[in-house]
Amino acid sequence: DTGVSQDPRHKITKRGQNVTFRCDPISEHNRLYWYRQTLGQGPEFLTYFQNEAQLEKSRLLSDRFSAERPKGSFSTLEIQRTEQGDSAMYLCASSLVELDYEQYFGPGTRLTVT
Amino acid sequence: DQQVKQNSPSLSVQEGRISILNCDYTNSMFDYFLWYKKYPAEGPTFLISISSIKDKNEDGRFTVFLNKSAKHLSLHIVPSQPGDSAVYFCAARLNQAGTALIFGKGTTLSVSS
Repeated sequence: DTGVSQDPRHKITKRGQNVTFRCDPISEHNRLYWYRQTLGQGPEFLTYFQNEAQLEKSRLLSDRFSAERPKGSFSTLEIQRTEQGDSAMYLCASSLVELDYEQYFGPGTRLTVT
Repeated sequence: DQQVKQNSPSLSVQEGRISILNCDYTNSMFDYFLWYKKYPAEGPTFLISISSIKDKNEDGRFTVFLNKSAKHLSLHIVPSQPGDSAVYFCAARLNQAGTALIFGKGTTLSVSS
């Protein structure tokens, strides 16, 4: 399967712990996006990369959140000092630059902070 | 303030009939609109898109209509199948403001056989 993959699919952590999620985009896609989805809402944009450069961050991305895409391939999203309000589905998507409105999503990582 | 609104949380349709999902938006600077389908425990799956310069786009059983004057778009599924039962999200991209998609809250479609 050559779709977007995310790991882990589920993560349960205690408040105050750090967590890291990984996303592997579709191989030929040079744009990679992170979104967050909470219950009853649509996905909300967090940040995106073009190759290894992080080009945009949402105001939702507090300073406890950091994202990287070191070699322009996979990306990681780290949340430090997790809070219960961080509980959500974290979605990764990828696209081609020339078709950046057609974003293809991975299965998501479900984070539960207890 | 929600820029993309899906005012119907749910829709029930019989197999073989037409499903019409609606979406309203407020920002005239959106340049592309998309529909995604989402099954439980999976990420959203891209279905169909339409440019703001067009009023219709068709792909198999799926057709999206755009009415710019009313700031309204709709997704028609004909004929509806039980496998179409899912949450459908309308999304829009803000021209020249980055590439983030802005999503509505979704409409749950149930197709009964």
